[in-house]
Amino acid sequence: EAGVTQFPSHSVIEKGQTVTLRCDPISGHDNLYWYRRVMGKEIKFLLHFVKESKQDESGMPNNRFLAERTGGTYSTLKVQPAELEDSGVYFCASSHLGVDFYNEQFFGPGTRLTVL
Amino acid sequence: RKEVEQDPGPFNVPEGATVAFNCTYSNSASQSFFWYRQDCRKEPKLLMSVYSSGNEDGRFTAQLNRASQYISLLIRDSKLSDSATYLCVVRKANNLFFGTGTRLTVIP
Repeated sequence: EAGVTQFPSHSVIEKGQTVTLRCDPISGHDNLYWYRRVMGKEIKFLLHFVKESKQDESGMPNNRFLAERTGGTYSTLKVQPAELEDSGVYFCASSHLGVDFYNEQFFGPGTRLTVL
Repeated sequence: RKEVEQDPGPFNVPEGATVAFNCTYSNSASQSFFWYRQDCRKEPKLLMSVYSSGNEDGRFTAQLNRASQYISLLIRDSKLSDSATYLCVVRKANNLFFGTGTRLTVIP
């Protein structure tokens, strides 16, 4: 079974430009999460989709970030306009829908974003 | 205050050694607990869940103390392949909260 995939693996853009990251979850996983790790800090939650609906977007840093999951399959995370502090590794994770608190989240390889 | 605090290390240990990592979490409403392993420039992968009664998986033993809000991971008979960053992770609602990770290097 294919794991979580993310595209691109790396992106280098200039401040002010727009970047769109894509995540394809494991097939059948209704939960999809975005996380981010900036240099020297811990991985932090950004938002959570259940199917196509945003369940929790409390971790989104500001309105320059827009996440979508049309059709409840893959998700995109757009940063517009990008700022220097947006540099970091953006991870996507997915899991089955369920109430089990030990329901495992499977992570993708991440997109390494560098804003110059 | 951070949700999860852990010693960043690094821990450099010889092969065969026993090493222990600790972490604390701030929110008593946290529901479940995990250790993830992250290799350099890779994604985090679940190493083991941590249950209230403590649990063991081969050379790895995890403990949870809810009263003290403290989680531990013990690795016995360290292997070179154990070299990685170990992330203490706490779940609240559907979201995961990560520590910064503890870097372990096992030396031949």
